Amino acid sequence: DQQVKQNSPSLSVQEGRISILNCDYTNSMFDYFLWYKKYPAEGPTFLISISSIKDKNEDGRFTVFLNKSAKHLSLHIVPSQPGDSAVYFCAASALTSGTYKYIFGTGTRLKVLA
Amino acid sequence: DTAVSQTPKYLVTQMGNDKSIKCEQNLGHDTMYWYKQDSKKFLKIMFSYNNKELIINETVPNRFSPKSPDKAHLNLHINSLELGDSAVYFCASSQGRQPQHFGDGTRLSIL
Repeated sequence: DQQVKQNSPSLSVQEGRISILNCDYTNSMFDYFLWYKKYPAEGPTFLISISSIKDKNEDGRFTVFLNKSAKHLSLHIVPSQPGDSAVYFCAASALTSGTYKYIFGTGTRLKVLA
Repeated sequence: DTAVSQTPKYLVTQMGNDKSIKCEQNLGHDTMYWYKQDSKKFLKIMFSYNNKELIINETVPNRFSPKSPDKAHLNLHINSLELGDSAVYFCASSQGRQPQHFGDGTRLSIL
C-alpha cells in the first residue's frame, strides 16, 4: 500500500522555466511534508518542508504548496537551472507509536535542459 | 566534515554470506534509521533507533539485525544473504521532527 505517490517518474524542463513536481498522499494523519533532492551516488538531501498548518512555504527559488483537502503537494522551482537536474523525493511524516515515521514517494527525475 | 557516513560504499558478495554495513553520524542527533532502496526505487524504512532503543521495526526478515552501540552509530548486519537483498541501503539521522540527514548509501550486490 503506497501511501505517498509521485506519479511522474520523469520531467524535462527548459532552463529558466518553471518546474512543477507533484506528490499525492492517502493518509490523513500525515502532518509534515518534505522534499529531498538526490544526485547519483549520493544520499538524499533535504530541500524544503511544510507543516500541515500551512498551505505554502517558500525558500528562494523553491516553493512547496500543500492542498490538504486534495491530499496533494507540489514543489515549484523557478527559475529552473541545469544544476537542479536530480531525482526529487517527497516524504510525509506522522507521529506513530511515539516517534516520527517518514514515508517516501518513488521520486521524479527532473532534467533541466540548457 | 561528513555528517552521516556509511561504509562500505560498495559491497559485492555471494549468496549465503553474512555481511555488515556501518553507519556513524557526528551531528549529535538522537534518532538513526536504515532505509532500503530497491530496484523500483522505493525508499523504504527498515529500522529506526532513538537513543540506542529500537523504535521502528518494519516487516523485515530476521536475517537483518540492526545494532546501536551508542547513539552516534547504527550498524546493519545481514545473515545468509539472498539475491533479493541486492539494493542500495541508506543510513539517516535526525533530531526530533527535524529533516533527516542521509549517508551516501551502500550498494549491495549479491552474486
